[in-house]
Order: sequence, then structure tokens, then C-alpha cells
Amino acid sequence: DAGITQSPRYKITETGRQVTLMCHQTWSHSYMFWYRQDLGHGLRLIYYSAAADITDKGEVSDGYVVSRSKTENFPLTLESATRSQTSVYFCASSGDRSSYNSPLHFGNGTRLTVT
Amino acid sequence: KQEVTQIPAALSVPEGENLVLNCSFTDSAIYNLQWFRQDPGKGLTSLLLIQSSQREQTSGRLNASLDKSSGRSTLYIAASQPGDSATYLCAVTGGGNKLTFGTGTQLKVEL
Repeated sequence: DAGITQSPRYKITETGRQVTLMCHQTWSHSYMFWYRQDLGHGLRLIYYSAAADITDKGEVSDGYVVSRSKTENFPLTLESATRSQTSVYFCASSGDRSSYNSPLHFGNGTRLTVT
Repeated sequence: KQEVTQIPAALSVPEGENLVLNCSFTDSAIYNLQWFRQDPGKGLTSLLLIQSSQREQTSGRLNASLDKSSGRSTLYIAASQPGDSATYLCAVTGGGNKLTFGTGTQLKVEL
């Protein structure tokens, strides 16, 4: 089925561990995004990518790393997890590269707890 | 820095009522505004996208308007139903196709 898939749905990890959240989309969308959602802060952009091998930081990128070797995959890595990174993480994708008017499609999120 | 505000933060209405959700933004240099719906434990679903050159968009019982010059958008829901209960978020698209989100309005439609 076409769509955007995130894995795992839930993850518990310890402080200092490295953890990778996966995101896969089947539309061949150019743009992909990682957001985190926290009470009181809403959705905040971590990283985004305009195409394969092109990534850029969002407003809360410290402590996170992304890669995009293939158009359909956009993994997010927490290099050394901290408790402040406990959150719900959403991956999203949108339209073609030339269009600013394609709706954003979201995955169902990964709930990450750092103990 | 773009800031997006949604009022009210929460709203409870009886079934059948027409209602309006508000969204305001500080920087009018936007490409579009989107309204999303989020159900508990789920991702966001795009409801309506209004391009910067448009004034409104309609989909079924939903109508969204955009006044870019005043930095405001409204989402009108006609004849509300319990299934409309969810959190509604607006977001504006700026440079780099990056969205800035509001913190949402939590809607409950009661029988």
C-alpha cells in the first residue's frame, strides 16, 4: 500500500544509547521531514530533506543526525539519547520539488522514551 | 521568526452545531496554509490546503478561509458530528517548504 511508514511505533532506550528511527515513503516524494511533538511546544522541525543526499537543519536539530541516500528512506538517529529527547517523533513527506502547494503526509509516529 | 497561534485551545460543542476555529500567524510571507486533523495516538491528516493566492477552500462540511494580509485563517465546520472530535492544527509554509505549526485546538463534539 502507498503511504508513509515509521518504525518502531514505540521505543524505550537508556540515556547515552544511540537509537535510529526509520521512515519509509512509497510516493517518491521529494521532500521529507522529521518533527517532534511535545506538550506545550506543538510540532517542531528537526531536519528536512529536499531530495536524496540533500538535508538541512530545522529549529531543534542538536543531538540528531539524518541521512537520505535513497528518496524513499529518511532515518533519524539520536547519537547519544538524553531524557529531553523523550517525545513523539513524526516523519512527513510532500509533493514534487518545484511545488510549494502539495499537502504534507504524516506517518503515525514513534513514541520514544529515554530513561 | 514565524509564530502561529490557535484559539481556542479547547472547545466542546453539542452535535449539530456549526463552529469556527481560528489561526493567526505573524509573518504574511507564506506560500500556503494547511489545516490538519490529529486523532489520539495518530499522525496528522491534511484536511485543506489554501495557496497564498487563494481566499478559501472547501471540502465537504469544511471550509477554510485565508486573509494573508491580516495573518488570519479560519476553519469552519458545519453540522458538527461526534466523529469530528480531534485536535485541529494549522500550519503555514515558508521558505524551504518548511512548515510552522500552531499548537492546535482540541475539539470535542458531544451527543
